[in-house]
Amino acid sequence: DVKVTQSSRYLVKRTGEKVFLECVQDMDHENMFWYRQDPGLGLRLIYFSYDVKMKEKGDIPEGYSVSREKKERFSLILESASTNQTSMYLCASNPSGGNQPQHFGDGTRLSIL
Amino acid sequence: GENVEQHPSTLSVQEGDSAVIKCTYSDSASNYFPWYKQELGKRPQLIIDIRSNVGEKKDQRIAVTLNKTAKHFSLHITETQPEDSAVYFCAAVRYNFNKFYFGSGTKLNVKP
Repeated sequence: DVKVTQSSRYLVKRTGEKVFLECVQDMDHENMFWYRQDPGLGLRLIYFSYDVKMKEKGDIPEGYSVSREKKERFSLILESASTNQTSMYLCASNPSGGNQPQHFGDGTRLSIL
Repeated sequence: GENVEQHPSTLSVQEGDSAVIKCTYSDSASNYFPWYKQELGKRPQLIIDIRSNVGEKKDQRIAVTLNKTAKHFSLHITETQPEDSAVYFCAAVRYNFNKFYFGSGTKLNVKP
């Protein structure tokens, strides 16, 4: 069974802090994704990666960056956290080859005070 | 880019009744349509998916139908049970891009 693990379930940070959200998958998937989930807006794609050291902007990349130094790990970075980044963050992965379902982590509930 | 609209945003049914959730998409090149269920406080989990070479797929009480001409697809849950209560998300995926465009979600409440 695919396991996508996010390092924290809940996180509280202050405005202006640099925040790191970590995600690890154990199925050797090529593709990894970061979404944020807000009520009524569904899942919105922040960044994704097709390979190590490769990244692509999603639909809402402003204020975020990512890092993929190893195939199994994909990190989301909030360079200078702001209150409007308070949200649920979901990591997902899937194999290459097209038309493959994404597998999600449990999510990180991030609050910026 | 793709635009996926999902309706209704909330749905309340009596246990044993059927529930239908509908999604429309805009990109005719989309060819993969998964459905996810997210229980409160848990991760979204795939419950069924359909590819554009078929019009219907069924798995026990769950079925998905796809109308490529009209660019809409629907999730059907029969004989609903309280454990079906959750938020359901549809998505449309274009093969070469592997970007999932999600609907805004439907909160299903099954009343015992």
